[in-house]
Amino acid sequence: DTAVSQTPKYLVTQMGNDKSIKCEQNLGHDTMYWYKQDSKKFLKIMFSYNNKELIINETVPNRFSPKSPDKAHLNLHINSLELGDSAVYFCASSQESRVTDTQYFGPGTRLTVL
Amino acid sequence: EDQVTQSPEALRLQEGESSSLNCSYTVSGLRGLFWYRQDPGKGPEFLFTLYSAGEEKEKERLKATLTKKESFLHITAPKPEDSATYLCAVSYGGATNKLIFGTGTLLAVQP
Repeated sequence: DTAVSQTPKYLVTQMGNDKSIKCEQNLGHDTMYWYKQDSKKFLKIMFSYNNKELIINETVPNRFSPKSPDKAHLNLHINSLELGDSAVYFCASSQESRVTDTQYFGPGTRLTVL
Repeated sequence: EDQVTQSPEALRLQEGESSSLNCSYTVSGLRGLFWYRQDPGKGPEFLFTLYSAGEEKEKERLKATLTKKESFLHITAPKPEDSATYLCAVSYGGATNKLIFGTGTLLAVQP
């Protein structure tokens, strides 16, 4: 019954490594998002895809690359991990990409870079 | 600058002691104001969406209201299970659904 799911829940890795986080939604939504929540709990949008097309790309280092194989999945690949990448990453989805659509969040992936 | 500010940062209440959380925003052309609840180690859980000034929505002990500059989340007779961080977010302007979040209010309700 999970609406928006993410794997893994925890990710601990060394600086310089490459890692991926996966997200899936079973709500039948067209739009998916990646957010980053820092240590002060501030949530900031990174990317959004609507029906596999990138529609929001905030000022994020090129080391972050989202990929949407279909509209139910949105993955986040991070190259050459840095200490500052440590955070909780949330995936979200909404019915469409309208500015009034409600976004539903996944449980988060806590990334720790050592 | 587009901004969302929540106050207080933290609030401690006794069970049954009603109070309000504030979310003030400075954006052009508000399209929606969203309230979420976030428990430790979990993702934000959707509570309410408000679209225009004067609108109110209720759910159990929670009531959200919206004016042209701010929103309030009123908590009536809170219980310990209402303890969480409450996040406010706004969407505004153009065509895409980019939410701007506040930094949240950490609510602790003591029995």
